[in-house]
Amino acid sequence: SQTIHQWPATLVQPVGSPLSLECTVEGTSNPNLYWYRQAAGRGLQLLFYSIGIDQISSEVPQNLSASRPQDRQFILSSKKLLLSDSGFYLCAFGTGVYNSPLHFGNGTRLTVT
Amino acid sequence: QQQVKQSPQSLIVQKGGISIINCAYENTAFDYFPWYQQFPGKGPALLIAIRPDVSEKKEGRFTISFNKSAKQFSLHIMDSQPGDSATYFCAASEDQGAQKLVFGQGTRLTINP
Repeated sequence: SQTIHQWPATLVQPVGSPLSLECTVEGTSNPNLYWYRQAAGRGLQLLFYSIGIDQISSEVPQNLSASRPQDRQFILSSKKLLLSDSGFYLCAFGTGVYNSPLHFGNGTRLTVT
Repeated sequence: QQQVKQSPQSLIVQKGGISIINCAYENTAFDYFPWYQQFPGKGPALLIAIRPDVSEKKEGRFTISFNKSAKQFSLHIMDSQPGDSATYFCAASEDQGAQKLVFGQGTRLTINP
């Protein structure tokens, strides 16, 4: 079966520190991968998506970057965190099949202090 | 740019009642409309989805109604139960291979026993 793992579940980091959030998918090959950020009252905002290794697109200019070192691994990074980076970060995968759903991980609650 | 507008932001329904959440979209190229259910501390999970070639889809107590001309769709939860208390998101995407979902702002549903 297809599963997605995301960690850590919670993270408290000081302003200016680096960030690395990791996401891995099992049970499928060459998935589409996504990073979303969820803010209260604003739904889920797409940050990055990748339809293959070395194919990463950014949706929103910001202090974050994404990388896909392996087919089923997606990493969200920052060199220096800002207070405004606090939020709930969700990784998701899709199969790329027409009208098929996205499957989300359980998210990382990031608090920048 | 908000492409999917969702209302209400919060909703309180008595047990056994009907919960109704509405969404409106702008992009006529959208052709996939899923609803996600999210419990606290968890990632969103697909609840039900519809394509624009049908006006209604029902799965158990959950029904999506779709009005293509009005660019609106809604989720109806019949015989609402306390276990349905969660945040619900509507979403939409185009079939471009990247499966980029655009989400509504979310509705926090509370079912009173």
